[in-house]
Amino acid sequence: NAGVTQTPKFQVLKTGQSMTLQCAQDMNHEYMSWYRQDPGMGLRLIHYSVGAGITDQGEVPNGYNVSRSTTEDFPLRLLSAAPSQTSVYFCASSYFAQGKSYEQYFGPGTRLTVT
Amino acid sequence: LAKTTQPISMDSYEGQEVNITCSHNNIATNDYITWYQQFPSQGPRFIIQGYKTKVTNEVASLFIPADRKSSTLSLPRVSLSDTAVYYCLVGSYSGAGSYQLTFGKGTKLSVIP
Repeated sequence: NAGVTQTPKFQVLKTGQSMTLQCAQDMNHEYMSWYRQDPGMGLRLIHYSVGAGITDQGEVPNGYNVSRSTTEDFPLRLLSAAPSQTSVYFCASSYFAQGKSYEQYFGPGTRLTVT
Repeated sequence: LAKTTQPISMDSYEGQEVNITCSHNNIATNDYITWYQQFPSQGPRFIIQGYKTKVTNEVASLFIPADRKSSTLSLPRVSLSDTAVYYCLVGSYSGAGSYQLTFGKGTKLSVIP
């Protein structure tokens, strides 16, 4: 099992550019999520998905889009990059069932700098 | 969403037991309490999870009093490699839009030789 993989590991964008951060998991997890972590801060939830075709907003969704066409993949798209989006982005996945809470498995992160 | 409060930082000497307490006064009936560990430049890693009373695994214990308004992560005999940030999360996939698990600011544990 590769677990949760993220690409790229590092990225530098100019203001206004768009790009997609890739996330994939091979554990057949229904729940996937994207977090951002600014320097010295905790993680903040951007978007999440409870299954293929179902996505919803988290705490800080503005400026980001997601889609979930398969169970395995959950890409995060930055529409028009801004310096405020400079951060480390983590993708996570877990099993899902209502009324339960399962261990989340995190990817290694993508370090994004917007100039 | 249940909000959590933890100390910002703690120091401990090697070999000591460390207890980190998390306050979660508005925990809901279905909510679980989960702790994660994060090293610099890595994603968080699951440590332990509980619902009530005491849970123990090979790396930590989790103590939850009857009212569940707080919890304490106990790390026995810490070593330098336990220096990390520890996050307490409270929540569950409970429906009505509550499919979010929110991280707080965490506790930075520094283990001193």
